[in-house]
Amino acid sequence: AQSVTQLDSQVPVFEEAPVELRCNYSSSVPPYLFWYVQYPNQGLQLLLKYTTGATLVKGINGFEAEFKKSETSFHLTKPSAHMSDAAEYFCAVKSFNKFYFGSGTKLNVKP
Amino acid sequence: EPEVTQTPSHQVTQMGQEVILRCVPISNHLYFYWYRQILGQKVEFLVSFYNNEISEKSEIFDDQFSVERPDGSNFTLKIRSTKLEDSAMYFCASRRGTYTEAFFGQGTRLTVV
Repeated sequence: AQSVTQLDSQVPVFEEAPVELRCNYSSSVPPYLFWYVQYPNQGLQLLLKYTTGATLVKGINGFEAEFKKSETSFHLTKPSAHMSDAAEYFCAVKSFNKFYFGSGTKLNVKP
Repeated sequence: EPEVTQTPSHQVTQMGQEVILRCVPISNHLYFYWYRQILGQKVEFLVSFYNNEISEKSEIFDDQFSVERPDGSNFTLKIRSTKLEDSAMYFCASRRGTYTEAFFGQGTRLTVV
C-alpha cells in the first residue's frame, strides 16, 4: 500500500532561518515523489519531483529535497526562509496512475 | 505556460441540487483527475480518467458522482444531489504521460448550504 506521512502539521521558523519539512512514504514500487505548495486560497503548485537518477533534487524558490531510500524519506529543505514561503506544503507519492498526498505542513515564517 | 483552468472558482448550492464543476486540462495531456480537500483535511483522490473512461475511483466517488470529457477539451465533475459533506475544494489535475507529474488547477470551492 502507498501512503505519505507528514508528521509536522505546522513548522514555525524565523525569516532567514533554515527550513526542513519532513516527509516519509511507503510504496510497494519504486516511488515517484513530489512536493507541492499551496498558498492561501490557491491551487497546488509543483515545487519539485524525484523520479529516477540523482537523489538530491532542486526545485523552484530555492527548495531542495533528498530521496533517501534507506530511510523512506523525502524531506524538503531550504537554507534561508523568506516571508513569501509561508504556505502549506504537501508531499505526494505517485504509484501507478494515482497520487497519494500527505496531510500537509503549514510553514509559518516569523519576522 | 500552459495551465489547468477550473470554473467556477466558488460555487454555492443548496443541498439536494446538482452541480457541475468544469475543468480544462492542459491540451496534450492524457490523464485526468479530480481530487478534493475538505477544509483542514488531506487532499483526497476521487477519480482518474484515461482514454475516455474512468481508470480508477475511490470509495468517495459513489453513484452521486460522475465525470465526463464531452468535447475533447473540457473535463467535468457532476454531483447529482449534493450533501452538506460535499462542501470542499475540488481540484482538477492532468498529466501528460506515465512518468510525469500532475498539474493542478486553482480549485473550485463548493459550499453546500
